[in-house]
Amino acid sequence: GAVVSQHPSRVICKSGTSVKIECRSLDFQATTMFWYRQFPKKSLMLMATSNEGSKATYEQGVEKDKFLINHASLTLSTLTVTSAHPEDSSFYICSARGPGAGNTIYFGEGSWLTVV
Amino acid sequence: AQKVTQAQTEISVVEKEDVTLDCVYETRDTTYYLFWYKQPPSGELVFLIRRNSFDEQNEISGRYSWNFQKSTSSFNFTITASQVVDSAVYFCALRGYNFNKFYFGSGTKLNVKP
Repeated sequence: GAVVSQHPSRVICKSGTSVKIECRSLDFQATTMFWYRQFPKKSLMLMATSNEGSKATYEQGVEKDKFLINHASLTLSTLTVTSAHPEDSSFYICSARGPGAGNTIYFGEGSWLTVV
Repeated sequence: AQKVTQAQTEISVVEKEDVTLDCVYETRDTTYYLFWYKQPPSGELVFLIRRNSFDEQNEISGRYSWNFQKSTSSFNFTITASQVVDSAVYFCALRGYNFNKFYFGSGTKLNVKP
């Protein structure tokens, strides 16, 4: 079946550096992917909609310059956390709509980011 | 507006007890999907069920059952004879038919004690 994969699953970075998280649709093309963020013991909040070949659409309150999203191909969207700070430490998860008429959304495994 | 409310923050039960997780939603869409996901400590979202708004038939899958009541905008999840492996955070979510964005509830942490 359709699979969405994220990499890395866990990453630790130093404060002030940038870190990139990849979201890949492994056996289907995804024109649209979504990025969610989950604070510890909190719900998942949509950050942005990633559109292949165009700019991402950010939800209100999400800093565009802080969280750079690039959807350069039909199978890959990347989230770059720039100038990371400890408060950016979170669980980030992506999703993509699967192929066919089933309208099924598939979630990646998620990526744990720790900024030290 | 789209909104999902899970009023129960945390529930603790003893193994073999039945437990119901509540979910209430708000939407202006006439067609929508409702979901339940399980999130173990490792973080990934494990898909449990998807319900189309036109299908109010309750569903049972093993020890899991779901009660969809459109009149009260509720989509409750019951685990029968709970097991320690059921311990996790459970999220209820809503998605509009023509949109791919999910709106998640705040989650209910279920602790099943041996």
